Amino acid sequence: DAKTTQPPSMDCAEGRAANLPCNHSTISGNEYVYWYRQIHSQGPQYIIHGLKNNETNEMASLIITEDRKSSTLILPHATLRDTAVYYCIVGSQSNFGNEKLTFGTGTRLTIIP
Amino acid sequence: DTEVTQTPKHLVMGMTNKKSLKCEQHMGHRAMYWYKQKAKKPPELMFVYSYEKLSINESVPSRFSPECPNSSLLNLHLHALQPEDSALYLCASSPQGRPGLINTGELFFGEGSRLTVL
Repeated sequence: DAKTTQPPSMDCAEGRAANLPCNHSTISGNEYVYWYRQIHSQGPQYIIHGLKNNETNEMASLIITEDRKSSTLILPHATLRDTAVYYCIVGSQSNFGNEKLTFGTGTRLTIIP
Repeated sequence: DTEVTQTPKHLVMGMTNKKSLKCEQHMGHRAMYWYKQKAKKPPELMFVYSYEKLSINESVPSRFSPECPNSSLLNLHLHALQPEDSALYLCASSPQGRPGLINTGELFFGEGSRLTVL
């Protein structure tokens, strides 16, 4: 599985857009980019995922570069509840069709009031 | 019901004890996972079950023994653990493999069982 590189920490002002970068230069053609976050003392929470195209849902937007070697997660209007560790994961499916997700070190995002 | 329920939330055990962690989901998911998370580290995959069969074992020591008695339940049996096995153990499930369901790539995680080995 491909590895990811993320900045260890970032700050963002409340109400602003938070842009979290991720490098995954060794991603292969059938691997997806997933984003999860983990709020302190809770289990990880799925945010969004994509293959090639940009994706948007009610939580965030995912921008994937054309060469697929990097991506950016955008939280459009950050709130204090968005303070968490954000994991960018490149994952493939196992032979049995289930997900094998390897978490990297993540980015600790702190939203500043 | 979109929850993955893990019990117990906290467990303290000695190195000679035998204990079990339990995970339950009623979303019809047919893939279930165990992850281990040490303090300030990312979760590490341990096991994956698909249709009640073990499909992935990430070279986990035999003192950890997973069991999937049915599609809703996942257990992790613990025996002769070491203090360095103290961690948060996370269970997850995914809809992958559920007939007719579009694969979203989403894993649903429980809140975890915090294990302390003395």
